[in-house]
Amino acid sequence: NAGVTQTPKFQVLKTGQSMTLQCAQDMNHNSMYWYRQDPGMGLRLIYYSASEGTTDKGEVPNGYNVSRLNKREFSLRLESAAPSQTSVYFCASSTRQVLSEAFFGQGTRLTVV
Amino acid sequence: GENVEQHPSTLSVQEGDSAVIKCTYSDSASNYFPWYKQELGKRPQLIIDIRSNVGEKKDQRIAVTLNKTAKHFSLHITETQPEDSAVYFCAASNQAGTALIFGKGTTLSVSS
Repeated sequence: NAGVTQTPKFQVLKTGQSMTLQCAQDMNHNSMYWYRQDPGMGLRLIYYSASEGTTDKGEVPNGYNVSRLNKREFSLRLESAAPSQTSVYFCASSTRQVLSEAFFGQGTRLTVV
Repeated sequence: GENVEQHPSTLSVQEGDSAVIKCTYSDSASNYFPWYKQELGKRPQLIIDIRSNVGEKKDQRIAVTLNKTAKHFSLHITETQPEDSAVYFCAASNQAGTALIFGKGTTLSVSS
């Protein structure tokens, strides 16, 4: 099993450019999440999808949009990238019936210049 | 919303010593409390978790305790080894039980 797969692994954007981070899981999980990790700030929840067809804002949703394309895929879009969005982005998934272990992807290192 | 505070931010111990990391949470509805370990350049991985109906859980050298009244939980690592060096994150479930809110992390360094 591949688990949770994110693409791309690295990306450099210019301020104002847009891009979509892709995430797919093959564990038949209902819930999927996007976190960002910054030094000294831990993992902060951007958006999550508790089930196919639903999305909810997390702690730091401004500047981002998400799409739960199907049960396997959950994408994160930056419409107009800003230097403050330079970060490592992690996608994760978990079962839904009772909140349990979240499995993380390998991360995407994004730099906005 | 849920807020999770984690202390200390850095912790240095000698090999063989014990290490304790503490977290507090704000939402009394939280009922799931996992701990993750993240090695340099790697993804976070679950090392132990506890639910609100249990006060303590142990797995070999790692244990977690939960005090629901005080809304705090702790990670205990005994007989530390250099390979325990990593960043450790605590987390708590949000009020709806649909997502995890993480603390800011503790960088543990174990010197031999």
